[in-house]
Amino acid sequence: KNQVEQSPQSLIILEGKNCTLQCNYTVSPFSNLRWYKQDTGRGPVSLTIMTFSENTKSNGRYTATLDADTKQSSLHITASQLSDSASYICVVSANPNYGGSQGNLIFGKGTKLSVKP
Amino acid sequence: DAGVIQSPRHEVTEMGQEVTLRCKPISGHDYLFWYRQTMMRGLELLIYFNNNVPIDDSGMPEDRFSAKMPNASFSTLKIQPSEPRDSAVYFCASSWTGVSYNEQFFGPGTRLTVL
Repeated sequence: KNQVEQSPQSLIILEGKNCTLQCNYTVSPFSNLRWYKQDTGRGPVSLTIMTFSENTKSNGRYTATLDADTKQSSLHITASQLSDSASYICVVSANPNYGGSQGNLIFGKGTKLSVKP
Repeated sequence: DAGVIQSPRHEVTEMGQEVTLRCKPISGHDYLFWYRQTMMRGLELLIYFNNNVPIDDSGMPEDRFSAKMPNASFSTLKIQPSEPRDSAVYFCASSWTGVSYNEQFFGPGTRLTVL
């Protein structure tokens, strides 16, 4: 069964500190993995998208890593800011050319990050 | 571009009433998705359209839910009759085949409360 598991469920850190969020998946056939940021009361916004051949991708203070062999991904946030407080959702896409479909995104339940001053 | 537009942003209704949620995708996008988000289940795909044609509605919970896309710039999700368990945030998203990895752009959502 295709699944995406995220940990921790919630995390509280102090402003300026770093943190790492984890994502494990069992999705086949794999196409790509995305990290979304969802602010309270808003829709998810894409941070990074990585394919099978990409190990790391950065977007400002956000760095995502992907290990396709172990089916794990992480999102590292450097020098956290109050505006980083949000839910971070890991989403894995099955390959539409091999039995998946455009709508076949498997969502994790997210990690709720709170950055305190 | 204004992004994906959804209306209303909040809807409170009583059990048994009909509810209609509206979505205007980003101009030029050929895919439109409807999602539901709850604390317990996270984001779930309900249905998606390609070029206004429904492709996969296997996520629609039951016959009380229906979705239409009469043209490229408008879609509706209707619940009739509504039940308290339908309370959730409903998101519309759109994407374009020409965008890398078919990235989806989400609207702000409609928070539905069924009393």
